[in-house]
Amino acid sequence: DAGVIQSPRHEVTEMGQEVTLRCKPISGHNSLFWYRQTMMRGLELLIYFNNNVPIDDSGMPEDRFSAKMPNASFSTLKIQPSEPRDSAVYFCASSQTSGGADEQFFGPGTRLTVL
Amino acid sequence: AQTVTQSQPEMSVQEAETVTLSCTYDTSESDYYLFWYKQPPSRQMILVIRQEAYKQQNATENRFSVNFQKAAKSFSLKISDSQLGDAAMYFCAYRTGNAGGTSYGKLTFGQGTILTVHP
Repeated sequence: DAGVIQSPRHEVTEMGQEVTLRCKPISGHNSLFWYRQTMMRGLELLIYFNNNVPIDDSGMPEDRFSAKMPNASFSTLKIQPSEPRDSAVYFCASSQTSGGADEQFFGPGTRLTVL
Repeated sequence: AQTVTQSQPEMSVQEAETVTLSCTYDTSESDYYLFWYKQPPSRQMILVIRQEAYKQQNATENRFSVNFQKAAKSFSLKISDSQLGDAAMYFCAYRTGNAGGTSYGKLTFGQGTILTVHP
């Protein structure tokens, strides 16, 4: 299997622009997670889906962030409008089930820079 | 809310030696899971080892083992026979075992420990 696929790997944009990050989970996995990594806040969960349904979005920082999972093989995380404080590495992860001891497999991350 | 604390921002070890990374967590739950993830410079997150809280036996994976002290809420990672490829940031993470809550899938991470391996 190719693992979790994220695109783009790097994104540089200007403040105020819309940014869309994409994720393809591992085939057969029914849970998908979006994490953000920054120096100040470390790794934090933004939102996760189970069977394409958002379960916990309490980590989404504000209304500028939105996430969708239209089908089992694709998810997007959108920031509109983007701000410099959104600069971070965004990880997508997937697992066979949403919890327990199941391993979450992480993608390579998208490094976002907002100027 | 659960919190995970890694008190060692940086650690170093000589190749072939043993090193222990510390992790403590705060929870009122009795059912939960603990994980150690490795993040090398490539930034890819890789699962190293996991522990179910209901298991008294410490988990081991080849050169990696944990010391799980449930009463003390401590979950340290021991790396034996350290190799240059072990150099990375290591994250301790907690997940609830409460399947009825919306946070069931959430991993709560510590701040990480940077491990340097000297040849």
